[in-house]
This record gives sequence, structure tokens and C-alpha cells, in this order.
Amino acid sequence: DTAVSQTPKYLVTQMGNDKSIKCEQNLGHDTMYWYKQDSKKFLKIMFSYNNKELIINETVPNRFSPKSPDKAHLNLHINSLELGDSAVYFCASSPSLYEQYFGPGTRLTVT
Amino acid sequence: AQKVTQAQTEISVVEKEDVTLDCVYETRDTTYYLFWYKQPPSGELVFLIRRNSFDEQNEISGRYSWNFQKSTSSFNFTITASQVVDSAVYFCARPTPGGGADGLTFGKGTHLIIQP
Repeated sequence: DTAVSQTPKYLVTQMGNDKSIKCEQNLGHDTMYWYKQDSKKFLKIMFSYNNKELIINETVPNRFSPKSPDKAHLNLHINSLELGDSAVYFCASSPSLYEQYFGPGTRLTVT
Repeated sequence: AQKVTQAQTEISVVEKEDVTLDCVYETRDTTYYLFWYKQPPSGELVFLIRRNSFDEQNEISGRYSWNFQKSTSSFNFTITASQVVDSAVYFCARPTPGGGADGLTFGKGTHLIIQP
């Protein structure tokens, strides 16, 4: 069974659209995260959620919003997509301090 | 910000050579963790190792070894007898200052190319 899964794996959409990426973990972890990897492979934390509460929010545009319907899910909603949002988005979960398990990534292409 | 620096952007070696990937970190913490992740061409992030700052012993796992030097704030990664399957981008990381729920701060990665 996949520990951290994301859907879709690829997402191609036009500027201005609204889209969501889903993430699920079956590890029973308390904390989940979203990371963005840009075209230069630079990985940066976007959000973390602990027990359904937002812990941090880096300097991310408010067009991005994480939504956690329950402890096992952390979905990423993106409104009014822009060309610069094209990237690979990774979901991750963590059982305790620091150790992170990553999902397979979602490659978002905005045209 | 407490950074993680991977100065080597790209390394290319011939198969069976040994190769060392450098990682230098900044920290004001007395206790901290450090990580290495591998990202093969398929794109997933594969966890390799987590080290606690209390443990300065070198770690060896098969052809992989890690050298942790607190005195120089370095956590270098060596692959012995490299293989083509080792070709990947390797990331060093540390917890983002502020606590365990704040995710990881990654270095910019080293692209390792193993030529047959």
C-alpha cells in the first residue's frame, strides 16, 4: 500500500483556472505538508498542517489554500492559476519531529 | 535564515569511482537533525538517512556512507563504487527553524551523473 499518495500525477491547465491536488496518507501521522519544487529543482515548504490546524504558512500567495477534511488528507487548492505556478508539488507527512515521508509528486503545468 | 548549502551543482563521474557530495549547514540549535534525500529521474523523493547531532559517528549503509562533522558544520555523503543507478539529484536538509511541524529546509541539490 502506498504510504503517501497524491492525485493527479500530472495536471495541465490554463491560466486563470482553479484546480486542486489531493493528498492522502495512511500512516496515521499527525502532521502533513505541501512543498513546491521549481524548475531548478529547488524544494521549498509551503504549508504544514497539524491536527487540522495550520502551523505555518510561508510567503505563499493567498491563491493557494490547504484544506484538511480529516487527519489523513491535506488537499491543495489553487485559484486563478498563473504561469509561475508551474512546478512539481509534493505532499509529505510526519509522525513526529522532523522525519518526513513524501508522496510521488504532482507535476502542474499552467499554459 | 539557517541555510543548507550544497555547493556542488553537478558532479559527473565514471561508474565504479567513489564520489562525495558536500553539505554545509547553519544552525543555532544545540540539538538538531540532518537528512539526505535522493531524487532519481523518475521524480520521487527517497529518504536516505536522518542523523541526530548527538551522534557524530560515521554511518555506513552498503555503498553509502555519511561523515558528520559538527566542528565544520558539514554532513557529507559518499558513494563508493558508484553505479549508473546512483544517478540522481541528492538533497541535504535540516528542519526549518521554529519546530518540528515547520517542515524541512533543503539545500539546492547536487545532480550526480554516473557515466557507464
